[in-house]
Parts: sequence; structure tokens; C-alpha cells
Amino acid sequence: ETGVTQTPRHLVMGMTNKKSLKCEQHLGHNAMYWYKQSAKKPLELMFVYSLEERVENNSVPSRFSPECPNSSHLFLHLHTLQPEDSALYLCASSLRLAGVNEQFFGPGTRLTVL
Amino acid sequence: AQSVTQLGSHVSVSEGALVLLRCNYSSSVPPYLFWYVQYPNQGLQLLLKYTSAATLVKGINGFEAEFKKSETSFHLTKPSAHMRDAAEYFCAVSDRGVFGNEKLTFGTGTRLTIIP
Repeated sequence: ETGVTQTPRHLVMGMTNKKSLKCEQHLGHNAMYWYKQSAKKPLELMFVYSLEERVENNSVPSRFSPECPNSSHLFLHLHTLQPEDSALYLCASSLRLAGVNEQFFGPGTRLTVL
Repeated sequence: AQSVTQLGSHVSVSEGALVLLRCNYSSSVPPYLFWYVQYPNQGLQLLLKYTSAATLVKGINGFEAEFKKSETSFHLTKPSAHMRDAAEYFCAVSDRGVFGNEKLTFGTGTRLTIIP
């Protein structure tokens, strides 16, 4: 595997289910991100992890719970979601240095909440 | 707070014609600016970035963008459209924090359609 991978690519869940999204980066990066992409809305930054420490949480509801066990893996745990949480969830990674750091994106997980 | 406005959620051009995708930004400090492309069922890929060196930035796939501070614009152009350019394009801005551009603020995207 190369780049940033995400599993599953598609997920359908009920409002009472618990599921997890997984992201893995094979680039030697030290920062990872979760974004939410909804139709007709800008990409929303949800969480930033740098060196496995959460450095950003953009007022995301507690039904989304991130976990970063090491610099290569990032999870998004989901529970009691709402239909409006249906979206494409994108993971990205970068090498966190001073200056301009390119973020590399995975293909996303298409989430549908029924 | 930073923001990005992309004029035109859909743009259609004929194959071989000029591509122009518009982006205006708002930032209280000199920004970093980016254009990303998203092909169907894929993540975002960086096309080009402005980092305060040359104001005319060249990217991949023949695209370029010009930073115009007086107009707060960073429009994306390509002289001759190809069918493979059909995708969604996102403009993004970030501040210049200690660790650079961690917080990217994206526009709503422009879907580019190429007419054969």
C-alpha cells in the first residue's frame, strides 16, 4: 500500500450503531487529519493530530471520537449518529514542519446514516 | 478569520478551450494559497500552492495560478482543456502558523465539465 488508505470505502449504519473508520498513512508523516465533506458545503476540518497528540478539535459533536494510537494510524469512532452526519469523511496526513506542508488525502469513506 | 469564495459551482468549457476557475480569499495576514483537484471516488490531490515566492505559480497537469494581492484573488487557469481535466476543484487558504498550514480553509468547490 502507498499513500493514504481508508477503510471501509462505504459504510451504511443506523442511528444506534457503533462503527469505526480507519486511516493509515505510508508516507512517514507525523500529522494526521479528519475532514468532513458534505454536498454543497466546504470541507470541514474536524480533528488534527500531531505526533499522536490532538491539537485541534473544531467543535465536533461528541458522537465523533478520534483516536491516534501511533503516527501511522488514525481512527474515527462513531456512535449514535444523526442522518445529517451522512457525508464523505476524508483523512489526510502531512509532515509537520515549519513552512508549507502539503497534506496528502485518502480516498475517503462514504458514510450513510439511516 | 480566513475564508475562500469560489465563483461558479459549475463551469463548462469545450475541449481545447481556456479553463478559468475563480478564487477570492480573505485573510488578515499574508496567506498560503492552494488549489486541489478531486476526481470521482478519490481524495484531494494538490495541484499547486502559493507560498510568497513568485506570484505566478505553475502546477501539475498544465495548470497555473496567479496571486494578486490587490484583488485578493488566486484564479486557476489552463490554456487548453482536456477531457481528463473533468473533476472538482477546490481553492484553500491557510495562515502561517508555527507549523505552517495545518488549518486549511476550503472553498465550496467548482465542478469542471469538459465538452467534447
